[in-house]
Amino acid sequence: AQTVTQSQPEMSVQEAETVTLSCTYDTSESDYYLFWYKQPPSRQMILVIRQEAYKQQNATENRFSVNFQKAAKSFSLKISDSQLGDAAMYFCAYRSPNNNDMRFGAGTRLTVKP
Amino acid sequence: NAGVTQTPKFRILKIGQSMTLQCAQDMNHNYMYWYRQDPGMGLKLIYYSVGAGITDKGEVPNGYNVSRSTTEDFPLRLELAAPSQTSVYFCASSYPPGQGMELFFGSGTQLSVL
Repeated sequence: AQTVTQSQPEMSVQEAETVTLSCTYDTSESDYYLFWYKQPPSRQMILVIRQEAYKQQNATENRFSVNFQKAAKSFSLKISDSQLGDAAMYFCAYRSPNNNDMRFGAGTRLTVKP
Repeated sequence: NAGVTQTPKFRILKIGQSMTLQCAQDMNHNYMYWYRQDPGMGLKLIYYSVGAGITDKGEVPNGYNVSRSTTEDFPLRLELAAPSQTSVYFCASSYPPGQGMELFFGSGTQLSVL
């Protein structure tokens, strides 16, 4: 079964600095998608960024980028120029065309210090 | 579009009571899901549905029931509530795998069983 591991329960960053959140996953499939979701205090799950496994180029969305290492099964999220509004719980997630559902890591709580 | 709508947002139940969490989506998604979120545990799949009339168990189905009579609605029924069911519940929907991999989430229901 596919599993997703986030080894950092909590992280903190100074406003305007850069932080990287780690995620590893286990799968025997070659075709899959990886996601980072943000959950602010409002509880809403917000998609931050997605990566298709067949694409070698790392996905980027404004201040958010990923470092996708397929052979190492690693998928980290880098947040540049951190803002107070980035403070939230971040979940790494996995889904493949062969799975009906999405698998989630345990989450990393990010604190942004002014 | 309203997206995925969940009601209620908060609920307190006494042990042994029953209730139904409502979920509706207006995106014409075939796939719908119920997840529960416990602190430090990420999101765990309770039940899912791939279309009207078709449902299947996820990772943690005990104590819950679902039905899917229409494409839009996917209610989750809790029978004989127990303290272990205290959690945040999320409904989500998506296109079938391969047509769209992202899950769209409702705003969640905070349930406490006392």
